[in-house]
Amino acid sequence: GENVEQHPSTLSVQEGDSAVIKCTYSDSASNYFPWYKQELGKRPQLIIDIRSNVGEKKDQRIAVTLNKTAKHFSLHITETQPEDSAVYFCAAHRSARQLTFGSGTQLTVLP
Amino acid sequence: GAGVSQSPSNKVTEKGKDVELRCDPISGHTALYWYRQRLGQGLEFLIYFQGNSAPDKSGLPSDRFSAERTGESVSTLTIQRTQQEDSAVYLCASSKGAGGTDTQYFGPGTRLTVL
Repeated sequence: GENVEQHPSTLSVQEGDSAVIKCTYSDSASNYFPWYKQELGKRPQLIIDIRSNVGEKKDQRIAVTLNKTAKHFSLHITETQPEDSAVYFCAAHRSARQLTFGSGTQLTVLP
Repeated sequence: GAGVSQSPSNKVTEKGKDVELRCDPISGHTALYWYRQRLGQGLEFLIYFQGNSAPDKSGLPSDRFSAERTGESVSTLTIQRTQQEDSAVYLCASSKGAGGTDTQYFGPGTRLTVL
């Protein structure tokens, strides 16, 4: 089955700097890659997603890139703010039925 | 409109007891998913429903775990003879369609503590 690895597990950045989180996946048939943000004690919320027919997608300060050949995708957050502090999960669409999630990255934005 | 809701928000039970967790998906969403999230861990897939059928039960960790869904509405996850290792947050999500490429919207979760 699908296996998704996510790095780093923790990431601290200064406010205003950029943050990058990387994920790799194993199933070359995967074609949908969402990113979720989970604040402490809250539910995961979708922040951006990308499908395999595009290589990059941006939404304001957030961007995701996808390299299907290498089977990896990354989340980029620019001009980080304290409210960006949360756990971020990547996921890959493994089958017609479920997502496989990475283990999460705890992002801390230092003021 | 209303999002995914789950009840109870917290459940404390004694080892060996049965528990039922409830999920109300977004109205009109045909797909429903259950995940388990242990403290500080990622999301572990448990089971998926398309309508009231469960084509993928591959994530259920043991036969103590079962789930059912009424039509395209509420789902219940039942854990029998709970063990301490069952302690976790149980998250439910729903999506519009059958495929995993539809955005999954999560409920707030049920925090289960088994003493």
